[in-house]
Amino acid sequence: SQQGEEDPQALSIQEGENATMNCSYKTSINNLQWYRQNSGRGLVHLILIRSNEREKHSGRLRVTLDTSKKSSSLLITASRAADTASYFCATDAMDTGRRALTFGSGTRLQVQP
Amino acid sequence: NAGVTQTPKFQVLKTGQSMTLQCAQDMNHNSMYWYRQDPGMGLRLIYYSASEGTTDKGEVPNGYNVSRLNKREFSLRLESAAPSQTSVYFCASSETYWTGDNQPQHFGDGTRLSIL
Repeated sequence: SQQGEEDPQALSIQEGENATMNCSYKTSINNLQWYRQNSGRGLVHLILIRSNEREKHSGRLRVTLDTSKKSSSLLITASRAADTASYFCATDAMDTGRRALTFGSGTRLQVQP
Repeated sequence: NAGVTQTPKFQVLKTGQSMTLQCAQDMNHNSMYWYRQDPGMGLRLIYYSASEGTTDKGEVPNGYNVSRLNKREFSLRLESAAPSQTSVYFCASSETYWTGDNQPQHFGDGTRLSIL
């Protein structure tokens, strides 16, 4: 079963605009991670936010975590064409008894130049 | 620094054939993973190796076997390929498996496998 689910499934914006992607999950977590995947490539780790953190920044990325709503958001500010990719959230699935990451199905972001 | 290297990049098999997907990492990581990625499904964990000498089943292990050959290498074997195993396979590694929270994972660029 999918622990994390991203929303929207696809997003198209103009260069310079901000892009916001959301992730919802079902069970308690210790941390949540965001990854980027360019077409035909592997996933690249972007940022990790722990359950006791509410917000984290890395360059043009801003991640928030609301454990009461079991949700996270990834904001990319001043987007560039190079940000075109799929973005995945990943959580640790405590209910399986196995500490392993569970990935959502991703948000496909298209940034138009 | 190559990171995680997967071979081959592409492969076409006939139903019933067997093959081994190779993965090697040069980051001295203890833990390694195999995932499959299907359209609209995200990544699903097949097998993982928390440390050299150990392997465990993930979410979708049926039809696969793995070998942690040494600290660097972790292979995935399909003994009798089926069309349902057509997918993109990713290998990943992390410094450790469990130290109170999950570590970021580093991924290879995948093997695109088609089974006819």
